[in-house]
Amino acid sequence: GAGVSQSPSNKVTEKGKDVELRCDPISGHTALYWYRQSLGQGLEFLIYFQGNSAPDKSGLPSDRFSAERTGGSVSTLTIQRTQQEDSAVYLCASSPGTGAFYEQYFGPGTRLTVT
Amino acid sequence: AQRVTQPEKLLSVFKGAPVELKCNYSYSGSPELFWYVQYSRQRLQLLLRHISRESIKGFTADLNKGETSFHLKKPFAQEEDSAMYYCALKHSGYALNFGKGTSLLVTP
Repeated sequence: GAGVSQSPSNKVTEKGKDVELRCDPISGHTALYWYRQSLGQGLEFLIYFQGNSAPDKSGLPSDRFSAERTGGSVSTLTIQRTQQEDSAVYLCASSPGTGAFYEQYFGPGTRLTVT
Repeated sequence: AQRVTQPEKLLSVFKGAPVELKCNYSYSGSPELFWYVQYSRQRLQLLLRHISRESIKGFTADLNKGETSFHLKKPFAQEEDSAMYYCALKHSGYALNFGKGTSLLVTP
């Protein structure tokens, strides 16, 4: 079946602009995660959604970052007033649950470049 | 605080040689540890998890709580093993805390 999809695959934006990144998880997966992959920092957890529970936003680096998940499916990560340090690959993952046996399936990522 | 350390950024071995990618962690509870792999131009994918005690593509990893390590090993490296390898610790029951990764290059 279809895996996790993300759009756009690449995004170039000017410093100070807002951007929206989209994630379509695997159908039926209740858990959705956003991570950021940047040079020097590696892979960092950003935010986690599980069903209708309140999201865990503990990894968001600043209040310029926000995310929502509509209808328990599609998620959008929004970065306001982008800065050059926001340049990274943003990865979305989903899983059927959150126990140790549940694998997180990753999307191809959105490469964000802030000029 | 939980932390995952992969001391080698790059590891280069010859085909057929043994390979060991190091991973050390710090975590106060019972760790759930994973190895993820990213092949060139492919997405990040799970290689193996400690709880399953499995061997995938000839790779194994043993959790050593005394040494707080979860090293990834393969007795005979193949060229197709060349990839980026990430050790990860699951914390809070769901979020993955990744190491910075080791790039493995297997040369003929």
